[in-house]
Amino acid sequence: DAGVTQSPTHLIKTRGQQVTLRCSPKSGHDTVSWYQQALGQGPQFIFQYYEEEERQRGNFPDRFSGHQYPNYSSELNVNALLLGDSALYLCASSLWTGAGNTIYFGEGSWLTVV
Amino acid sequence: AQSVTQPDIHITVSEGASLELRCNYSYGATPYLFWYVQSPGQGLQLLLKYFSGDTLVQGIKGFEAEFKRSQSSFNLRKPSVHWSDAAEYFCAVVKGHHNNDMRFGAGTRLTVKP
Repeated sequence: DAGVTQSPTHLIKTRGQQVTLRCSPKSGHDTVSWYQQALGQGPQFIFQYYEEEERQRGNFPDRFSGHQYPNYSSELNVNALLLGDSALYLCASSLWTGAGNTIYFGEGSWLTVV
Repeated sequence: AQSVTQPDIHITVSEGASLELRCNYSYGATPYLFWYVQSPGQGLQLLLKYFSGDTLVQGIKGFEAEFKRSQSSFNLRKPSVHWSDAAEYFCAVVKGHHNNDMRFGAGTRLTVKP
């Protein structure tokens, strides 16, 4: 049973560029969310996707956008990269059951903006 | 707004000694509570979760946590620490069903002495 998988694992971008990060949820999961974890801090919620729509959003600017595909996989796009966007980006998935959701995380994508 | 406090930034214990990591949350109702562990450069691994019912929950790797509503706490414990337990530990809270807006504490870094 594959867990949450993310790609790429590491990447370096230049300030002002755009980046796309990809995520495949754990088998059977239908909800995907994205988090940003700066060095030495806890993860911060970016947004959540369910049924191909953004359902919730954290305190992140519109430069951060996403997409969910019919197979539940997801992308995180960040435009006009800033040095402060350098972080570990974590994808998490869960299954909507009507009760509490168990949320599983991937290994993350390390983004360095130079 | 919901928040999570982990009062201890760094804890050092000897191998074989017992461990308790503290977590306090601020939220008007009973939230869903989680503990995750993160090794350097890795993603988050779920240790255990509390949704409802028995306030003492068992997790993986010999960890357990106790939910105390009167103290708004969800402390993580392990009776005998192994060197491989050295990592960063995060307490997290989610409000309500189908909500992946998970709020994390700042984390507690555990060092294990031989």
